[in-house]
Amino acid sequence: GIQVEQSPPDLILQEGANSTLRCNFSDSVNNLQWFHQNPWGQLINLFYIPSGTKQNGRLSATTVATERYSLLYISSSQTTDSGVYFCAVLKTSYDKVIFGPGTSLSVIP
Amino acid sequence: SAVISQKPSRDICQRGTSLTIQCQVDSQVTMMFWYRQQPGQSLTLIATANQGSEATYESGFVIDKFPISRPNLTFSTLTVSNMSPEDSSIYLCSVRRGLGLLQETQYFGPGTRLLVL
Repeated sequence: GIQVEQSPPDLILQEGANSTLRCNFSDSVNNLQWFHQNPWGQLINLFYIPSGTKQNGRLSATTVATERYSLLYISSSQTTDSGVYFCAVLKTSYDKVIFGPGTSLSVIP
Repeated sequence: SAVISQKPSRDICQRGTSLTIQCQVDSQVTMMFWYRQQPGQSLTLIATANQGSEATYESGFVIDKFPISRPNLTFSTLTVSNMSPEDSSIYLCSVRRGLGLLQETQYFGPGTRLLVL
C-alpha cells in the first residue's frame, strides 16, 4: 500500500515565526488533505489539495503530484496553531485514506 | 462540508465492560468510517460501514471486538467490547463527501475519548 511520511516529526516555534511541513507519499494519489488536530482532539480540515497551490489566511499548501510531495506553510504562527498536523492521501475512491504519522507543532509565546 | 456528531464525547470504563459510540451525520452518506487513534499515534481505520450490509474490517480488527451497526444512511454505532486498558484511545467517526468520486473530502466527528481502567 501507499506509504506516507511527514517531516519534521516535532517542531517548536516562537510566536510569529514561519514554518514548512512536508508530506511525501510513495504512489500517485487522487486526493490529498491536510488536517490540524487541536489539543482537544478535534480534526479540522485545512486543505483538499491533490495538486497545485491553495491559500487560506496565514496557511497555504502546495502539492507537486508528479514528485509525490506536499508542503504546508504556516506564516506568522500563533499559539492557536499548536497541535498535530496530518497529511492524508487517497489513491482512489475505492481505497482507504492513509494518514501520515503527523507533525507535532508547539508555538510558544 | 459535513456536520458529524458523536456520543459520548468521553468516558471512563472498567476493563471487561463494553461501550457503544454513536455517530450521526447531517445528511445521507453511502459509507461511514470508524477510526482509532491511540495515544501519541496517527489514525488507523477500524472498519467501513455501509448501510444494509456487514461492515468491512481492516486487518487486525474483528467484528467480535468492534461490532458495528448501520441502520440507516445518517447513523452508525461502534461498540468496543470486553475492553482492556489497551483500548484506551480516541475513536472517530468519518464520512466522505464531494463533487464526485475524484473530489471527495474526508470529514471527521469530534471523537470519543475512551479511558479503560
